Amino acid sequence: NAGVTQTPKFRVLKTGQSMTLLCAQDMNHEYMYWYRQDPGMGLRLIHYSVGEGTTAKGEVPDGYNVSRLKKQNFLLGLESAAPSQTSVYFCASSLGLAGVIREQYFGPGTRLTVT
Amino acid sequence: QQQVKQSPQSLIVQKGGISIINCAYENTAFDYFPWYQQFPGKGPALLIAIRPDVSEKKEGRFTISFNKSAKQFSLHIMDSQPGDSATYFCAASIGGYNTDKLIFGTGTRLQVFP
Repeated sequence: NAGVTQTPKFRVLKTGQSMTLLCAQDMNHEYMYWYRQDPGMGLRLIHYSVGEGTTAKGEVPDGYNVSRLKKQNFLLGLESAAPSQTSVYFCASSLGLAGVIREQYFGPGTRLTVT
Repeated sequence: QQQVKQSPQSLIVQKGGISIINCAYENTAFDYFPWYQQFPGKGPALLIAIRPDVSEKKEGRFTISFNKSAKQFSLHIMDSQPGDSATYFCAASIGGYNTDKLIFGTGTRLQVFP
């Protein structure tokens, strides 16, 4: 059981370039999330998904797009990277049984630098 | 807008001492309050969580105290150990149909010295 995995672990982009971050979970979780972590700001929710084929905006969605074509995968895309998107990105997943089991399991993170 | 305020930003404790981290929230609709622990280079991991109908929850050396009227909750680490050195995040969420979004505090870096 690998849990939540993220690809790649590190990436350097130039301003204006695009990329996709891949998150995969093998726990059959319904809900998946993308966060960014910046010094002194905690973790902020970018987008989330409550099931295959569904996505919704979080706190800081501008400049990002997501897709959940398969239940186990959640992709985060940057169409035109900006230096303000330099951050550590974390994917997480949870069972989705609201009110019952609500623990979110996090991946190891992707460190992205935009120059 | 920061809906969950966490303090202190950093904390230095001697081995065997008590570490206390505080959080305050604004939205009374929050119904789940977890604490996450994060080691350098790793993702956060759930440490302990509480619901607002309980005033205290203890798991080993870790205790959450919850004050619903004051809209505050805190993490107490008893007999702090060097292995507890990490960043701790409080969080809050509102559960419901097709939603369970965590709002995180800004984190507390805990250092425990031998």
